[in-house]
Amino acid sequence: SAVISQKPSRDICQRGTSLTIQCQVDSQVTMMFWYRQQPGQSLTLIATANQGSEATYESGFVIDKFPISRPNLTFSTLTVSNLSPEDSSIYLCSVGRYEAYGYTFGSGTRLTVV
Amino acid sequence: SQQGEEDPQALSIQEGENATMNCSYKTSINNLQWYRQNSGRGLVHLILIRSNEREKHSGRLRVTLDTSKKSSSLLITASRAADTASYFCATWGGSGGSNYKLTFGKGTLLTVNP
Repeated sequence: SAVISQKPSRDICQRGTSLTIQCQVDSQVTMMFWYRQQPGQSLTLIATANQGSEATYESGFVIDKFPISRPNLTFSTLTVSNLSPEDSSIYLCSVGRYEAYGYTFGSGTRLTVV
Repeated sequence: SQQGEEDPQALSIQEGENATMNCSYKTSINNLQWYRQNSGRGLVHLILIRSNEREKHSGRLRVTLDTSKKSSSLLITASRAADTASYFCATWGGSGGSNYKLTFGKGTLLTVNP
């Protein structure tokens, strides 16, 4: 299975600023997924990032708040913009290979907004 | 939106005992997967069961799937303190349309006491 390097592992940010999270995969993958996990909650899909096209956002998530880049088949970034305390969460990237395998997750970025 | 509902939300047992977690879902699926998350870190894929399978084993893990009841269970036998984690079920609808996404349940927090 793929190996994902996710950075940073944690950050504390000021209200109104932005944080960019990076995920590097050790193999080429078509789709990368970005999730948010609010404190004590399950994972909610933010968007799907395809190389060479605009990301597909889930209901409740917009590009202005969560811009995503996918410059090649092994790398993606998620930016969380105009931070507020409500954005304090764990953000995770993920990749999967068809239906026969489970998905691989990055180690997560724990964001605290003060 | 959440697809799976885990039950119980929290489970505390003694080392050596078995732990059973249940998951229910709402729509048709291609497969169902179980993941473990330690202390808010990245998720680790445990086991995948396809919709045409009824039971699957992997080491100390046993998963069952009842598509008529839209439910699954995860059994961890002879639990260890290191099994302490949150466990999530996730459903995968298939590669067509928007079904390629993993949809997570709310999770069960398992505590194994030494």
